[in-house]
Amino acid sequence: DTGVSQNPRHKITKRGQNVTFRCDPISEHNRLYWYRQTLGQGPEFLTYFQNEAQLEKSRLLSDRFSAERPKGSFSTLEIQRTEQGDSAMYLCASSPGRIPNYGYTFGSGTRLTVV
Amino acid sequence: GENVEQHPSTLSVQEGDSAVIKCTYSDSASNYFPWYKQELGKGPQLIIDIRSNVGEKKDQRIAVTLNKTAKHFSLHITETQPEDSAVYFCAASPWDDKIIFGKGTRLHILP
Repeated sequence: DTGVSQNPRHKITKRGQNVTFRCDPISEHNRLYWYRQTLGQGPEFLTYFQNEAQLEKSRLLSDRFSAERPKGSFSTLEIQRTEQGDSAMYLCASSPGRIPNYGYTFGSGTRLTVV
Repeated sequence: GENVEQHPSTLSVQEGDSAVIKCTYSDSASNYFPWYKQELGKGPQLIIDIRSNVGEKKDQRIAVTLNKTAKHFSLHITETQPEDSAVYFCAASPWDDKIIFGKGTRLHILP
């Protein structure tokens, strides 16, 4: 296992189109997180999963955003009717999910540009 | 919820000198404080972390300190090298909860 994998690395889409990103976490990690990062800012929490259960969603995650982790392995993040404000780096991270908290392992991200 | 403030936003130091980045947090329930380094085009990478039952932790040229009373924590990099140039993020997390990040410090190591 070589770490957290995100695809695609880059995505350019027209405003109003739908996009879907995929994240493959480290195989033995139970927790999976999605963050969004805009230029010059720190990662902002969007949502996270414990196995297949989505445990928390940020208010940043409007109803145009949906995330799934159907079998507790890979996850997808879909954005419907994209807007220019959705342009950002979307980061996925995973962690063992044990208590106490352990640091995340991040993927390299998917950079979304909405034109 | 937790709020993490980080200073400075940009820091330039001469190669071989030390760099210090400071953070404050708001949620007294936070007990885990990781630091991440992000290079251009890559995701953040965990470089060191500290838990609330420890006041200081060191790993080679990197050290972190934590003052729970004041809700302050800091990253110290000694003998800086060109490869230390990157963006550094502090973060805080309550027990078994999500990690909240600061806005980052862009560190430039000057030759």
